[in-house]
Amino acid sequence: SYVLTQPPSVSVAPGQTARITCGGNNIGSKSVHWYQQKPGQAPVLVVYDDSDRPSGIPDRFSGSNSGNTATLTISRVEAGDEADYYCQVWDSSSDRHVVFGGGTKLTVL
Amino acid sequence: EVHLLESGGGLVQPGGSLRLSCAASGFTFSSYAMSWVRQAPGKGLEWVSAISGRGDSTYYADSVKGRFTISRDNSKNTLYLQINSLRAEDTAVYYCAKAGGVVVPDRFDPWGQGTLVTVSS
Repeated sequence: SYVLTQPPSVSVAPGQTARITCGGNNIGSKSVHWYQQKPGQAPVLVVYDDSDRPSGIPDRFSGSNSGNTATLTISRVEAGDEADYYCQVWDSSSDRHVVFGGGTKLTVL
Repeated sequence: EVHLLESGGGLVQPGGSLRLSCAASGFTFSSYAMSWVRQAPGKGLEWVSAISGRGDSTYYADSVKGRFTISRDNSKNTLYLQINSLRAEDTAVYYCAKAGGVVVPDRFDPWGQGTLVTVSS
C-alpha cells in the first residue's frame, strides 16, 4: 500500500518561512492535498491539487510537488498558523485508497 | 454555505454496533462523493471509507473492510456509516467530509465537526 511520510515536527520563528515535506514513491505523479488542524477543531483544506488554494486561504500558503517529495510552504508565519498539518493523496492503483501522511506539528517559536 | 453535521456516536461495548449519520446541506448532495475519516485520541487522521455520488461505488480501508458499511440516501441528503464488531482500536472521532468530485474521494472540503465513538466495557 502507498505510504506518505511527514516529519513529526517543524519549528519556525514568526515572520519566517516554514516548509513541511511529504514523501512518497513518485508522489509527483499524484495530486497532493494539504490540511490544517488546530486543537479541538476539524481539519481544513489549505492547498489542493499540489498548489491551488481554496477561497479564503491566505496566499501565504503554497504548495509544490515533484519527484518523491511534495512540500507545503507557509510564508511570513504567524502565531495562528501553529497547528498540525497533513498531506493526502488518492491512490488510484489496485488498492483505490485515500492515504494520509502521519502529520506534522508546526510550532511557532 | 456547505454544512455537514454528524450524529450517532457514543459509548459502546466491544463487539457492539453503531450507525453514524451525516446530514448535509448547502450543495447538491448527489453530485459529490462523500467520505468518513477518523482520528483516535492524540493520533493522526485515518481514512475509513468513501462512496460515490450515486452510491454505486464504495471504498474501504483495509482496517475496517468487512466490519463497516458506508451508504447514502440522496433523497435525504444524508451519509451513513454502519459500524459492527467494534473494537477498542475503533475509538475515535469520526468526521464526514465532502469530496471534490462525484466518483472518487480525491480531496475533502469541508469537514463536519465530528462525532466521538468510544468502545469500552
